[in-house]
Amino acid sequence: AQSVAQPEDQVNVAEGNPLTVKCTYSVSGNPYLFWYVQYPNRGLQFLLKYITGDNLVKGSYGFEAEFNKSQTSFHLKKPSALVSDSALYFCAAHKTGFQKLVFGTGTRLLVSP
Amino acid sequence: EAGVVQSPRYKIIEKKQPVAFWCNPISGHNTLYWYLQNLGQGPELLIRYENEEAVDDSQLPKDRFSAERLKGVDSTLKIQPAELGDSAVYLCASSPRGAGANVLTFGAGSRLTVL
Repeated sequence: AQSVAQPEDQVNVAEGNPLTVKCTYSVSGNPYLFWYVQYPNRGLQFLLKYITGDNLVKGSYGFEAEFNKSQTSFHLKKPSALVSDSALYFCAAHKTGFQKLVFGTGTRLLVSP
Repeated sequence: EAGVVQSPRYKIIEKKQPVAFWCNPISGHNTLYWYLQNLGQGPELLIRYENEEAVDDSQLPKDRFSAERLKGVDSTLKIQPAELGDSAVYLCASSPRGAGANVLTFGAGSRLTVL
């Protein structure tokens, strides 16, 4: 069975510093990997995805993520955090040709001024 | 373009009562999903529709939950009777065919509280 793990319940970072939100996955075959963000009282919003190709994918709002097949990881990164980045971030995955998206438990990002 | 619309946003009911949630997906999106999100957890798929056909309902507790997507557009998720453990946020999402098929657009969710 496929699964996604987000080992940190919360990540704290100061504004202007780089941020990393960790994600590891367990998916048979070639995975499709995603990051979504959830702001209070709003639905999840798509940030970026990895399907194939370059291991570094760029997404919305300056976020990027690096696919590492050997470590089965897909960490979310941003070079310089903003207070407005504070939200709940979800990593998700499904295997090729199978549209059942499995989510991690989420990581709350708190960016302090 | 309007996003995925869900109603009601909030619902409080007593246990054993019925409840229904409605979802209007993005126009032209043929795939519709209902997810359950418990507090502190990630969303879990309940059911997926391709047009009006339920293609994956393996996670739907069919003894009390039912869903329909008439005419392949709007969808309704019903719980009857509700139990205390059903308190959660029910998320609807949709996706198109083709290149964007694996990117879901979510609604704001319907938060259910069962007393």
